[in-house]
Amino acid sequence: AQTVTQSQPEMSVQEAETVTLSCTYDTSESDYYLFWYKQPPSRQMILVIRQEAYKQQNATENRFSVNFQKAAKSFSLKISDSQLGDAAMYFCAENAGNMLTFGGGTRLMVKP
Amino acid sequence: GAVVSQHPSRVICKSGTSVKIECRSLDFQATTMFWYRQFPKQSLMLMATSNEGSKATYEQGVEKDKFLINHASLTLSTLTVTSAHPEDSSFYICSAPNSDRSSTDTQYFGPGTRLTVL
Repeated sequence: AQTVTQSQPEMSVQEAETVTLSCTYDTSESDYYLFWYKQPPSRQMILVIRQEAYKQQNATENRFSVNFQKAAKSFSLKISDSQLGDAAMYFCAENAGNMLTFGGGTRLMVKP
Repeated sequence: GAVVSQHPSRVICKSGTSVKIECRSLDFQATTMFWYRQFPKQSLMLMATSNEGSKATYEQGVEKDKFLINHASLTLSTLTVTSAHPEDSSFYICSAPNSDRSSTDTQYFGPGTRLTVL
């Protein structure tokens, strides 16, 4: 069974600063994918970034990047130049065999 | 991207009645869809996997007779909460991977349905 752990229930960042959200996972699968989803107050789940486990290069999407450490089973999300609109719940998730397993979530607050 | 819709977005019903929630993939086909439940300030909990043309697969602890799932077509799955009770009040979310693509690892989520049972 897969487990995903987000150790930070809440994080706070100053606008324009950088913040890193932590995520660790545990899987016995050799082929899997990792994701970060954002859930704003509207509760719509929005895909932020996707990482294929077989790729060593860290995924990047504009201000969002990941630090994927496969041996350590760590998958952290870095948000650069934080904006007020980044305030939301962030969920780390793993997909092995077409089923998503979610972490408990991190609430990110952005201070103006 | 791929768009998934849910209807209704909000529903209030009386205890003992049944409520149907629809999940549609608007611009892609989905042979599989997933239904989640989310309590306030908590993560998403997978309830069941909806399979087009076959029975749904339910997670442990989810009553299949209470949460009826029907995957009527390649773009539509429905979740019916039967004989609803106040404890069924929650936020229900569906998702679907894009079956039109060779890689179906990414799931696209509907906007969710808030169910309130009085």
